[in-house]
This record gives sequence, structure tokens and C-alpha cells, in this order.
Amino acid sequence: AQKITQTQPGMFVQEKEAVTLDCTYDTSDPSYGLFWYKQPSSGEMIFLIYQGSYDQQNATEGRYSLNFQKARKSANLVISASQLGDSAMYFCAMRSMDTGRRALTFGSGTRLQVQP
Amino acid sequence: EPEVTQTPSHQVTQMGQEVILRCVPISNHLYFYWYRQILGQKVEFLVSFYNNEISEKSEIFDDQFSVERPDGSNFTLKIRSTKLEDSAMYFCASTRTENQPQHFGDGTRLSIL
Repeated sequence: AQKITQTQPGMFVQEKEAVTLDCTYDTSDPSYGLFWYKQPSSGEMIFLIYQGSYDQQNATEGRYSLNFQKARKSANLVISASQLGDSAMYFCAMRSMDTGRRALTFGSGTRLQVQP
Repeated sequence: EPEVTQTPSHQVTQMGQEVILRCVPISNHLYFYWYRQILGQKVEFLVSFYNNEISEKSEIFDDQFSVERPDGSNFTLKIRSTKLEDSAMYFCASTRTENQPQHFGDGTRLSIL
């Protein structure tokens, strides 16, 4: 079974500062993927960034980077230069990379509020 | 950029009634998914669908749920006899290949009265 833990129910950050959202995971799968999604107050789920368990380098997508520490089973999201539009719920998720197993397991989310 | 579209955005239904939630996945995508999110809770996987059959389903996806791809563009989730606890946001997602990140639609908010 897979499990995602997000221990920060809410976070505040000042505009233009960087913020780290924590995510730890547990799985017995040898190959897996880790994902971050953003859910604004309007409700849609927006894919942000992906990290494969065998990727040697940490993933980056614009202002988003994923701090992947495999030995610690953590996959923290770093948002640089926060903007007011970054205020949203952020979900960490994972899935096995076994063929036929595609279900994403989500964490409980972190609500980020960016303050001017 | 192509999007997954879901209709309706909000559905209100009496308990015990059947409801069909509709999704149009991205046009060249082959893998389709349904998830739900009860208000204030985490997103939960329901089912994945590929090559006109269910490839994986969760414990939530019991006999009252079914999925169908009735034509080349739509992917539907049917709930046969709705219960109060089916009230949730339902998300459809799709991918072109099995290992791509799943792209979600904007969701359908289902309210059971």
C-alpha cells in the first residue's frame, strides 16, 4: 500500500519569498512517481511537477522545484519567488510505475496563503 | 493547450436517483480516470479505464458505479442509486501514455439531497 503524508495543514509566505511544502511517502514499490498538484479556490486540479524514483536529478518546472530525498522518502515542493496567485491548496501524490497500476494516492494537502 | 472538459459543473440530484457525469478527455489520450474529493478531504481514486475496459478500481468503486466510453470522445461515470455520501467533487483525468502525469478536468460538484 502507498501512503502520502503532508504534515502542514496551512502555510503562510510573504510575496516574493520562497516556500517549501513538505511531503513524505511510504511505498513498497521499487519504481514509483511523485507528483504535485495545485488546487485553487475555484476547485480545479492543476498538475505542477513530476519526479520519477529513478531520476538522478531533482525536477524543476519554472518556479517549482521538487526536493527529492529518496533515502528519507521525502518529496518536498519548493516554490520560489511566491506570487499572490500561488495561494491555493497543494497536494502531493504518488503512483506505482508497475504496468497496469496507475492510481494516484494523494496526501491531505497544504493550504498556502501568500501575503502581500 | 488541450484540456479535459467535464459537464455539468454542478449537479444536484435526489437520493436514490441515477446520475451520469460526463467527461471529454484530451483528444489523443488513451487512458482515463475518475477520482472524487469529498468536501475538505483528500482526493481518492475510483477507477482507471483503457482499451474499453476497466484496468484498475478502488474499494469505493462498488456495484453502484459504472464507467463507459460510449463514443470516441466521451467518458462517463454513472452512479446508479445515489446516496447522501456520494456528495463530492468528481474529477476526470486522462493521459496519452500510461506513465504520463494525469491531467485533470475542472470537476463536477455532485450534491445529493
